[in-house]
Amino acid sequence: GAVVSQHPSWVICKSGTSVKIECRSLDFQATTMFWYRQFPKQSLMLMATSNEGSKATYEQGVEKDKFLINHASLTLSTLTVTSAHPEDSSFYICSADRTGVETQYFGPGTRLLVL
Amino acid sequence: QQPVQSPQAVILREGEDAVINCSSSKALYSVHWYRQKHGEAPVFLMILLKGGEQKGHDKISASFNEKKQQSSLYLTASQLSYSGTYFCGARNQGGKLIFGQGTELSVKP
Repeated sequence: GAVVSQHPSWVICKSGTSVKIECRSLDFQATTMFWYRQFPKQSLMLMATSNEGSKATYEQGVEKDKFLINHASLTLSTLTVTSAHPEDSSFYICSADRTGVETQYFGPGTRLLVL
Repeated sequence: QQPVQSPQAVILREGEDAVINCSSSKALYSVHWYRQKHGEAPVFLMILLKGGEQKGHDKISASFNEKKQQSSLYLTASQLSYSGTYFCGARNQGGKLIFGQGTELSVKP
């Protein structure tokens, strides 16, 4: 149990377009979901925390207007990279919290390449 | 603040042991350990909750010293499959999980 999926697993887009990434908890309701970004040979950096039905909380230095997060239900959070540029190319990973469990459950990640 | 891991990289021969350390400047509720292979998402290894517990499975174990705000991951009799980047994550209860900078482990035949 406690499976988190992401879609798509990889995406290539042109500079200036917007890309939406979905994160779903498949067999549990996620109290909170988190979005991370990882550049090559670097650590996972937390971008934002989202709770169902409320605005996401962004980490310092993360542009909220560029990385739109919508947490529409207890099983779905979406990250939209707006007007993507080559420097947004990265590995985006979501994770989810489950009530009463300290472990975070990670999705398989989405690799974004902006040309 | 990001927890600090040491060493940054380590090279082992198959069968050798290794220790990876993780320290935080903030009080911790839990420490999470992950291993990531190139091009893949991190894989959960174990979580340690405050209380100074030690955990392990197979030949990988970890300890958590709450007072020192430190955790160590112990890999014994390393196998080729242990190669990858190891991350510790530090978390306050129910709060954000912040990762260390990673330790790259290479196990050679």
